[in-house]
Amino acid sequence: EAQVTQNPRYLITVTGKKLTVTCSQNMNHEYMSWYRQDPGLGLRQIYYSMNVEVTDKGDVPEGYKVSRKEKRNFPLILESPSPNQTSLYFCASSLGQSPDTQYFGPGTRLTVL
Amino acid sequence: AQKITQTQPGMFVQEKEAVTLDCTYDTSDPSYGLFWYKQPSSGEMIFLIYQGSYDQQNATEGRYSLNFQKARKSANLVISASQLGDSAMYFCAMREGRYSGNTPLVFGKGTRLSVIA
Repeated sequence: EAQVTQNPRYLITVTGKKLTVTCSQNMNHEYMSWYRQDPGLGLRQIYYSMNVEVTDKGDVPEGYKVSRKEKRNFPLILESPSPNQTSLYFCASSLGQSPDTQYFGPGTRLTVL
Repeated sequence: AQKITQTQPGMFVQEKEAVTLDCTYDTSDPSYGLFWYKQPSSGEMIFLIYQGSYDQQNATEGRYSLNFQKARKSANLVISASQLGDSAMYFCAMREGRYSGNTPLVFGKGTRLSVIA
């Protein structure tokens, strides 16, 4: 089944404790992206990657890191999480060709205490 | 300035009736794509329908259709014959530029649709 998977789905952590949210897609998509969703703000892009070893900042990159060492994986790293990073996070992937519909993972709900 | 505006925070519709969810957008790029996503209470984002700026006809996918009015910069989603399972949050989104990958998908703030039996 073609899908985007994220782990963990739910995470409660404390300020400053490094964490990684994994994202994997099995559709051989070139383009991958991370979003965060907050009430009243919709979804905002954190980082994106056009291909292996190619990443760039989205609208809200502060406090996050990403890497793209393999085409299928695009982990999101929070080196020192803070409470304002409590949010619902989505990974998405797409072919990178028009119309380039993005397909989303199931989401990771993160709470930073 | 907001690039995607959804003016209806919440909507109610009777089961089996049609409903229109509004979306206006702002871009100076002649090439762009418009998307609608559904987010049920379980949280996942489900792609519904796509409209390209150069598409001559309005997009349709089953019970979903997109009322694309380019001059007015609107891309309203029409859901026909509403079902209880249509109750969800709906997001309009846009990508500017002919080639994707280097421009983000920009989302509106969403409209919560409630279908009443």
